[in-house]
Amino acid sequence: DGGITQSPKYLFRKEGQNVTLSCEQNLNHDAMYWYRQDPGQGLRLIYYSQIVNDFQKGDIAEGYSVSREKKESFPLTVTSAQKNPTAFYLCASRRDGEYYGYTFGSGTRLTVV
Amino acid sequence: KQEVTQIPAALSVPEGENLVLNCSFTDSAIYNLQWFRQDPGKGLTSLLLIQSSQREQTSGRLNASLDKSSGRSTLYIAASQPGDSATYLCAVRGGYKLSFGAGTTVTVRA
Repeated sequence: DGGITQSPKYLFRKEGQNVTLSCEQNLNHDAMYWYRQDPGQGLRLIYYSQIVNDFQKGDIAEGYSVSREKKESFPLTVTSAQKNPTAFYLCASRRDGEYYGYTFGSGTRLTVV
Repeated sequence: KQEVTQIPAALSVPEGENLVLNCSFTDSAIYNLQWFRQDPGKGLTSLLLIQSSQREQTSGRLNASLDKSSGRSTLYIAASQPGDSATYLCAVRGGYKLSFGAGTTVTVRA
C-alpha cells in the first residue's frame, strides 16, 4: 500500500544537538511538506518542496533545515538553533495540481531532554 | 494571510446524537478544503476533500458542506459512535499552502 513513512516515532534530543527526522513516500507525489504541531494550536508549516532539489521556507523555518535529493524523501533536521523544538512533527505529500488533497504520515514526537 | 477558526474547541455528546462541527476561513480564494481526523499521538487521516466549486461532499455517515463566498464549512457526522471520538481538523488550501484550524475535540459518550 502507498503511503508516507515517518521515523522514528519518538526522538529525544539533548541540548545543543542536531537531529534528523525521516520522511519517505511511495505515492509518487511531487510536493512534500513539514508541519509542526503544538498543543492547542493549528499545524504550522516549516518547509515545503514542490520538486526535487528545490525547497522553500514556510512560516516557522528558523532553526530547521531540509533537503530534497530524491522525489521520495524529504528529511528534516532540527538544529541547535531551534530554541523550543519539543513538538509533534508531521510530514505530508500531495500530487501536483490544484485539485488534489494532502496525505500525512504518522508523525514523530521530538522531546528535548 | 488565511485565518482558519474552528468552533467549538471541544464537544461532548451521547452516543447516537448527530455531530455538527464548524469551520470558518477569512480568504475565499481557495482551491479546496479538507477535513481530517486525528487520534491522540497519531497522524492525520483525511476524511473528505471538497473542491472550491463544490457545495458538499459525502462519505458514509459524514457530510461536509462548503460555502466559499461566506468562508464557511460544516462537517456533519450522523448517528455518532464512541469510535468517532477524536480531534477533527479543518484545512483550506490556497496556492502551495494548507492552513489549519486548531481543531474540535469530540467525545462521544457510550
